Amino acid sequence: DIVMTQTPLSLSVTPGQPASISCKSSQSLLHSDGKTYLYWYLQKPGQPPQLLIYEVSNRFSGVPDRFSGSGSGTDFTLKISRVEAEDVGVYYCMQSIQLPSYTFGQGTKLEIK
Amino acid sequence: EVQLVQSGAEVKKPGESLKISCKGSGYSFTSYWIGWVRQMPGKGLEWMGIIYPGDSDTRYSPSFQGQVTISADKSISTAYLQWSSLKASDTAMYYCALPYYYDSSGPGDYWGQGTLVTVSS
Repeated sequence: DIVMTQTPLSLSVTPGQPASISCKSSQSLLHSDGKTYLYWYLQKPGQPPQLLIYEVSNRFSGVPDRFSGSGSGTDFTLKISRVEAEDVGVYYCMQSIQLPSYTFGQGTKLEIK
Repeated sequence: EVQLVQSGAEVKKPGESLKISCKGSGYSFTSYWIGWVRQMPGKGLEWMGIIYPGDSDTRYSPSFQGQVTISADKSISTAYLQWSSLKASDTAMYYCALPYYYDSSGPGDYWGQGTLVTVSS
């Protein structure tokens, strides 16, 4: 299985300040079709995960533009330009290059100071 | 509107069998992979496996191969996750999900509300 490693595992951020989460994969997520199968999810307390970013850098429907994704190959980053109170929860990166062995990172818990 | 509606919470004893369900609506059930994700108490997300209801092609993550069975009944647009003999370690929230896809309507990614399974003697 591809191992996804996130850092940090927890973040405490003042509202209005930026936040950044790193995700590294044990193998390249670049497929021969030219796409990179890396996604970012947010799981708010008591809810199922919700997709934020697909294929490294594309914001999903309804996701605010303060969220952005970047990276390539095995190294990826999720950035929040200005954290808001509603952004609390656990952030997961996920790879889907290997069907059916999709894997998630360990999760990064974001708290508001 | 795409919806995945899961069956309700279950409380079972070790050794019992269980089948939980996930009913899809608002899309062509036979045309998209649907998967199951486990979340143990206070822990992260784990993909268990995935099925293509159109032809019942089913794939399991290595950790879950032989531990669970994934199936689908396309006549009622419902996917299933079942255990033949539950263990206490199966206690978890289970989500069904339509993992990211892109079709003529644009990108999609949908999750059920989750089914809490508690296994305790």
